[in-house]
Amino acid sequence: DTEVTQTPKHLVMGMTNKKSLKCEQHMGHRAMYWYKQKAKKPPELMFVYSYEKLSINESVPSRFSPECPNSSLLNLHLHALQPEDSALYLCASSQDLNGQGVDEQYFGPGTRLTVT
Amino acid sequence: GESVGLHLPTLSVQEGDNSIINCAYSNSASDYFIWYKQESGKGPQFIIDIRSNMDKRQGQRVTVLLNKTVKHLSLQIAATQPGDSAVYFCAENQYGGKLIFGQGTELSVKP
Repeated sequence: DTEVTQTPKHLVMGMTNKKSLKCEQHMGHRAMYWYKQKAKKPPELMFVYSYEKLSINESVPSRFSPECPNSSLLNLHLHALQPEDSALYLCASSQDLNGQGVDEQYFGPGTRLTVT
Repeated sequence: GESVGLHLPTLSVQEGDNSIINCAYSNSASDYFIWYKQESGKGPQFIIDIRSNMDKRQGQRVTVLLNKTVKHLSLQIAATQPGDSAVYFCAENQYGGKLIFGQGTELSVKP
């Protein structure tokens, strides 16, 4: 299984809602990532988890809250988002054998988020 | 500063021709680069990677060239097919898993 799955595929939420994005991989990878991608732009890193510990937070606003319950799962909790947060949210994973993160990242299909 | 950029935002080629997509980087300490393909509605898909101890790497119909002197890398696609139409990103993979993407080149293949 070389797949990263993300749910839901699409999500529409109001600015007062609380929702969560989910990501799962069964490749035994120990690093997982959240990226944000606006239309016609490259993905931008948000968070990195290595061995279930948050290792990188790219100064992401606190209305985005990541969680890594175990090595196969990664969540992104959303609360009080703004319309400009509408984007494609991508999850990725990598082996991270030496804890340095310098290896191939496998991406999921993303969740298309619209904030109204 | 750090940046990974592409020379052309769009590239249109005839089916069967070879495609070349270019990328420049500014950090001379960069040592691991990856090319990704992103089709509409999908996540980026790994194509090929190269480390700084190499100047060329070949895959199936794809070749990546790295010129450390001028801090430039390119992706060559041989015999381009309609299924190659997508946005191509070069990316620098830094320590800790931080992946910095270039702006992307949209490849369009004309039948």
